[in-house]
Amino acid sequence: NAGVTQTPKFQVLKTGQSMTLQCAQDMNHNSMYWYRQDPGMGLRLIYYSASEGTTDKGEVPNGYNVSRLNKREFSLRLESAAPSQTSVYFCASSEGRNTEAFFGQGTRLTVV
Amino acid sequence: GQQLNQSPQSMFIQEGEDVSMNCTSSSIFNTWLWYKQEPGEGPVLLIALYKAGELTSNGRLTAQFGITRKDSFLNISASIPSDVGIYFCAGTRWGQGNLIFGKGTKLSVKP
Repeated sequence: NAGVTQTPKFQVLKTGQSMTLQCAQDMNHNSMYWYRQDPGMGLRLIYYSASEGTTDKGEVPNGYNVSRLNKREFSLRLESAAPSQTSVYFCASSEGRNTEAFFGQGTRLTVV
Repeated sequence: GQQLNQSPQSMFIQEGEDVSMNCTSSSIFNTWLWYKQEPGEGPVLLIALYKAGELTSNGRLTAQFGITRKDSFLNISASIPSDVGIYFCAGTRWGQGNLIFGKGTKLSVKP
């Protein structure tokens, strides 16, 4: 069991470029999440998907889009990257609402 | 914005000392979780709490779900150097599908 797998692990983008962060889980979890982590800010929720076919905005959704491709995969897309999106991005999954979430290793994104 | 207040922000302790940190909210939570994050890694779940008043241990770690459902604490007994990291509390509110995090407590342990 790999748990939650994120790709890529590191990425450098130029302002205005687009990219998609990939996330897959092999725990048959229903819920999946995307967080960003900035120094002193803890983890802030970008988007989440309570079940296959549904997505909802979190605390900081602006500048991002998501796709719950199937039960296993939940991708995060930056259409036009900005320096303010430089951060560490974490994907997580949980069996359902109100249950413990398990995290991937993170994607370290720098926008120059 | 953030709805969980976690304290202290950082702690510098001597190996062997006990540690206590807590998390409070103005809202009622029905799940409390405690995570540890080491540099370059994702958060790792330490303890999950689901009932008010619940006291749960995981080795030298003990966490409690407050009776009011608005707080939780984590204790680490007899700290060791590998306890170093950032500890996060997190919680969910009934009927909401998102997990909310505190800003973390950074723990440093001097051998």
